[in-house]
This record gives sequence, C-alpha cells and structure tokens, in this order.
Amino acid sequence: GAVVSQHPSRVICKSGTSVKIECRSLDFQATTMFWYRQFPKQSLMLMATSNEGSKATYEQGVEKDKFLINHASLTLSTLTVTSAHPEDSSFYICSARPLDGPYEQYFGPGTRLTVT
Amino acid sequence: GENVEQHPSTLSVQEGDSAVIKCTYSDSASNYFPWYKQELGKGPQLIIDIRSNVGEKKDQRIAVTLNKTAKHFSLHITETQPEDSAVYFCASTGFQKLVFGTGTRLLVSP
Repeated sequence: GAVVSQHPSRVICKSGTSVKIECRSLDFQATTMFWYRQFPKQSLMLMATSNEGSKATYEQGVEKDKFLINHASLTLSTLTVTSAHPEDSSFYICSARPLDGPYEQYFGPGTRLTVT
Repeated sequence: GENVEQHPSTLSVQEGDSAVIKCTYSDSASNYFPWYKQELGKGPQLIIDIRSNVGEKKDQRIAVTLNKTAKHFSLHITETQPEDSAVYFCASTGFQKLVFGTGTRLLVSP
C-alpha cells in the first residue's frame, strides 16, 4: 500500500520549453501533496505544498510563475516547469499525505529533468 | 523555524555489524519523526517512523529511539546487509512540513 507514481521518470527538454510532471497516489487519496527538488548528494528541498482544490503554497525563493502546481483531484498533482533553463535541471520528487494519516508522507520515484 | 542536524554524514560498516544514525531537532513542538531510505536515482522510502508519545519502535532489524527531553532521535540497524547500503534521511514535523536532515550515506561491505 501507499504507492505514489511519477511520470515521466526522465525527461530531456530544450531551453525555453515547458515540462509537466505528474504525481499520482495509486492506492490512497491524498489531501496534501508536496513537491521537492534534490540536487546531487544533497537533501530534499521543499518547493511547494498543494492541497486539492486550492492554490499551492510556495516556499520562500521558489518562483510560483515558473513552477506551476495544479492539484486537480485527491490522487493527482502536476508540476509544470515553464520556460525551462539549464539551471532548472534537477531531480524532482513528489510526496503525498493520506487522508487518514496526519503526518505520514509517501514519496514518488522522482523525475530527472535535464534542460539542454 | 525547525532545524534538523544529522550525523554522521557517511558511515561504513562490515556486513553483520550494527549501524546507528543520530539526529537532533530544534522545535519542541515537533511530534512526528520518520526515517527514509533513498537508493541512487530513486525517491525516498519510508522505513520507520515514531511519534512523540512513544520512546522506541522496532521493526525487525530496524529500530528508532526518541528522547524528547534532549530532542534526539536515532535509527538503529542491526545485522546489516549489503542491500542496506543507501542514503538515510531523518525528518521531523510538528504540523505540515517535513524538515529533513542532511542525510547519511551508509556503506555495508560484504
């Protein structure tokens, strides 16, 4: 149980284009989903928190117009990196918190984004 | 805001030995402390967690202890195996967001 999927697992795009990453909770409903970014050999950096049906809350320093988050349902959240640049290349990971669990977060497998 | 310190940053053990990773948190309101295992190129996997009303929790070879007074919590892995090699992250939260430690790279040599 508590499986979270992400799609795609890897994506290469050209500078200036936009990329959408999907995060799905497969066997549970999630009130809240989180998006993280991770650089090589570093810890996870929270980018934003999204609740179903409401606007995402972004962490300080994260550009909301660049990283668009949509939490369309209790099982799906999407992150769109708009006008991507090479510095946006990173490992993006989502997590989901179950409806019946106030604290637990289950993570997806991550998406490796490379912007050329 | 909450700050979580994690030590050591790297840990090398022989197969069969025990491994201990320690974390310290700053926010006394924190009440949930999960541990995650991350293998190369993958997302973190929740391996064990503990809530503030419990001092110790065990699941087979893995155990976590919590000292709320000292704001310390630790991960204990016994009888380590090569497949335990990974990066381990501690985290804490009092309400919404998880705050992660800096990670410990565990290497178990056969």
